[in-house]
Amino acid sequence: GAVVSQHPSRVICKSGTSVKIECRSLDFQATTMFWYRQFPKQSLMLMATSNEGSKATYEQGVEKDKFLINHASLTLSTLTVTSAHPEDSSFYICSASLGGQGAWGYTFGSGTRLTVV
Amino acid sequence: QQQVKQSPQSLIVQKGGISIINCAYENTAFDYFPWYQQFPGKGPALLIAIRPDVSEKKEGRFTISFNKSAKQFSLHIMDSQPGDSATYFCAASRGKSSGDKLTFGTGTRLAVRP
Repeated sequence: GAVVSQHPSRVICKSGTSVKIECRSLDFQATTMFWYRQFPKQSLMLMATSNEGSKATYEQGVEKDKFLINHASLTLSTLTVTSAHPEDSSFYICSASLGGQGAWGYTFGSGTRLTVV
Repeated sequence: QQQVKQSPQSLIVQKGGISIINCAYENTAFDYFPWYQQFPGKGPALLIAIRPDVSEKKEGRFTISFNKSAKQFSLHIMDSQPGDSATYFCAASRGKSSGDKLTFGTGTRLAVRP
């Protein structure tokens, strides 16, 4: 149980275009989801925390107008990278808190490799 | 106060040996300490987790040792196998229902030689 499905797994886009990444909780309701960014050989860096039905909370230094997060339902959160540029190329990972299910822990999506050319 | 320090950065172990990775934290409000395994191009997968009311937890070949007074915890991988070669992250958070964020360590790249 507690599976998070993340799509797409890979995406290549042209500079200046926008890309949407979806994160779905398949068998539970995810009240809180997290979006991370990971550069090669580095740790996961938290970008933002999203709670269903409210605005996302962004970490310091993360541009909220560039990385739009929507958590409109208890099973879906989306991250849109707007006007993408090569420096936005990275591995993006979503995660859902299991706390709303009365459980400990978090479950992670399989990640999205974004390449901006 | 939110940092989790992890060492070593990389580790090479012979097949059958013991791999040991250490983490230290500062925030005494943390009460959930998981370890994640990540293969290239994949998201992190939970290996094992511990709460501070116990000093050790074992699941198969994986053991977490927890020292609350020293604010340290470690992962031991017994009988290490080449398939264990991956990056391992320790993490910490507080609260079960608050949806609090995870604070990650910097990661350890483990290579198990056949």
